[in-house]
Amino acid sequence: SQQGEEDPQALSIQEGENATMNCSYKTSINNLQWYRQNSGRGLVHLILIRSNEREKHSGRLRVTLDTSKKSSSLLITASRAADTASYFCATGGAEETSGSRLTFGEGTQLTVNP
Amino acid sequence: EAQVTQNPRYLITVTGKKLTVTCSQNMNHEYMSWYRQDPGLGLRQIYYSMNVEVTDKGDVPEGYKVSRKEKRNFPLILESPSPNQTSLYFCASSLIGQGAGYTFGSGTRLTVV
Repeated sequence: SQQGEEDPQALSIQEGENATMNCSYKTSINNLQWYRQNSGRGLVHLILIRSNEREKHSGRLRVTLDTSKKSSSLLITASRAADTASYFCATGGAEETSGSRLTFGEGTQLTVNP
Repeated sequence: EAQVTQNPRYLITVTGKKLTVTCSQNMNHEYMSWYRQDPGLGLRQIYYSMNVEVTDKGDVPEGYKVSRKEKRNFPLILESPSPNQTSLYFCASSLIGQGAGYTFGSGTRLTVV
C-alpha cells in the first residue's frame, strides 16, 4: 500500500531557482528518506531524516519533517539542469522494529530548464 | 565499488516461460528487497528478506517467488509470467536498522508478450 504522497506530481523551473517538493504520509514513522531517480534508472538515496528531527541539510538539499502534520518537504536550492529527475519520499514505518522496510510515494517529476 | 547488480537489464519473454532475474550485492547487507515500478502506481514492494533463509511477502507478491540461500544473492523468480507482470523491476539492499538508506540496482525492464 502507498504510504507517501508527493506533491506536486510535476514541477518545472528555471535553472538557478529553488525547487520545493512535499510529501505527506499516513501512519507513524521511524524515519523518512528522499530518493532521486533519473529516467528508467535505479533510485539513489539522497537524505534521511529521523522522526525526532525537524530539519536536515546536505549540500544544496534541505529536508524538513513535521510529524504532527505527517508531512515532509525537500528543498533543492540553486537548481541545475542536472537536477532534472524524479524525486521520491520513502517512509520507514514505526511498526517495523528494524525500520528497514520502506514504502515509497509516487514521486515528483522535476524539470530544470537551462 | 559498492553496488547492487541486477541481470538482465532488459528481457522480453513469452507468457508461461519461467524466468529468473538475478540480484547480487557486495556490501554485506542483511536486508534485500524487490520492487516493481509501474506508471501511476509508483514503486511497490514484491518480497523482502531480512537475512539468509528469511523472506517475507511485500505488497504485491502474487506470481513471484524469491530465495535467499546466500547473503549476497536474492533472485526473483517468475514461474509462469503473464503480461500483467510487464514492468520495471528493482532490487535494493541495505543494512538492518532504522534509517539505513537503500542501494538500488539499475533495474530490469521485463516485457511479457
